[in-house]
Amino acid sequence: QAGLTQPPSVSKGLRETATLTCTGDSTNVGSEGAAWLQQHQGHPPKLLFYRSNRRPSGISERFSASRSGTTVSLTITELQPDDEADYYCAAWDSSLRVWFFGGGTKLTVL
Amino acid sequence: QVQLVQSGGGVVLPGGSLRLSCAVSGLTFSNYGMHWVRRAPGKGLEWVAAIFNDGSNEQYGDSVKGRFAVSRDNSRNTLYLQMNSLRPEDTAMYYCTSWMGASNFANWGQGTLVTVSS
Repeated sequence: QAGLTQPPSVSKGLRETATLTCTGDSTNVGSEGAAWLQQHQGHPPKLLFYRSNRRPSGISERFSASRSGTTVSLTITELQPDDEADYYCAAWDSSLRVWFFGGGTKLTVL
Repeated sequence: QVQLVQSGGGVVLPGGSLRLSCAVSGLTFSNYGMHWVRRAPGKGLEWVAAIFNDGSNEQYGDSVKGRFAVSRDNSRNTLYLQMNSLRPEDTAMYYCTSWMGASNFANWGQGTLVTVSS
């Protein structure tokens, strides 16, 4: 089934490290890379990374991202309460010519 | 300071129409492609549509193709989404967001709520 797959939820403790994953296929993540976005309840999304690992200015270095094949990963170190949010990956599919968003991962900081 | 200010949301009957606007300032609007993205209650983000910086090309998600139309007026620095034949499942917060080169979704509007209900 076309699209991007993310785990629905991840829970980690304060100051721990969380790694979120997003899996697509060769026509989207595998060839075009992906973006990562963070969305807090009641707010617009915020871009964390584009082209899999390019960080816009102003994004904390506690956030890092990488790609391996058809999977992209977002790693957040030294988790803070404000990191509790929904995280989405997004990728262009060059075959279907649509953008896909993953279903989102709700990160809970305990 | 980049600002994307949205307007035009509201409550509409099934089968009705609505037009959303997104007024952009703080960047050279004609250099940027634009997207519309939505989030339905209890669900995740969904890409709705995109338009090239010069308006020469439009793209749509499968769920809105044939019903929604994206357009822009570069002289007014404004993006539009014309939504026709609205369905209850179109109920969502709608966002406009920018795109330049490989950097998609860098700037976002505040969102505007569309409710389709009888």
